[in-house]
Amino acid sequence: GAGVSQSPRYKVAKRGQDVALRCDPISGHVSLFWYQQALGQGPEFLTYFQNEAQLDKSGLPSDRFFAERPEGSVSTLKIQRTQQEDSAVYLCASSLMGVAYNEQFFGPGTRLTVL
Amino acid sequence: GQNIDQPTEMTATEGAIVQINCTYQTSGFNGLFWYQQHAGEAPTFLSYNVLDGLEEKGRFSSFLSRSKGYSYLLLKELQMKDSASYLCAVIDSNYQLIWGAGTKLIIKP
Repeated sequence: GAGVSQSPRYKVAKRGQDVALRCDPISGHVSLFWYQQALGQGPEFLTYFQNEAQLDKSGLPSDRFFAERPEGSVSTLKIQRTQQEDSAVYLCASSLMGVAYNEQFFGPGTRLTVL
Repeated sequence: GQNIDQPTEMTATEGAIVQINCTYQTSGFNGLFWYQQHAGEAPTFLSYNVLDGLEEKGRFSSFLSRSKGYSYLLLKELQMKDSASYLCAVIDSNYQLIWGAGTKLIIKP
């Protein structure tokens, strides 16, 4: 079966440009997570959806970051006016239910480079 | 604050055994995950512990002591393909997953 997919796999943006990163979770998975991972570091939590509801967005680093999951499946992470410090791999993960007791399945990530 | 500590890097020999330790200080505890991440790839699930003790799964085992805030991942009969980063992650009281920085494991022939 299909796993979690993300697009684009690589994105180069000029500083100040807006970007949109897409995540297609595993069909039927209730929970969806976005993480930011810098080189040599573990993932840093950004935000969490249960179906279409954004239950936790405490990890979003600034108001330039916005995520949505309007129909409870595909999610988009949008970064406005990108800055160089936004350069990282953005990982999306989905799980069947909530956080506890449930393995998270990760997509391949989108590597964002801001010039 | 919340903190997950793992060694940055470890080296081991093919065929040997290696233990990767993880200590944590978090606001509450609702379980601990170990994930494997090969360079340039997404993390993949290895194990989940919520009760004290050892969970064995093939060549990999994971141990948890909640009273000590401590876990380890034990890898036996190491293979070259086991060269990867190993990430420890703890679910805190808010059901948020807190990740360690990962341990880069280098396997030598």
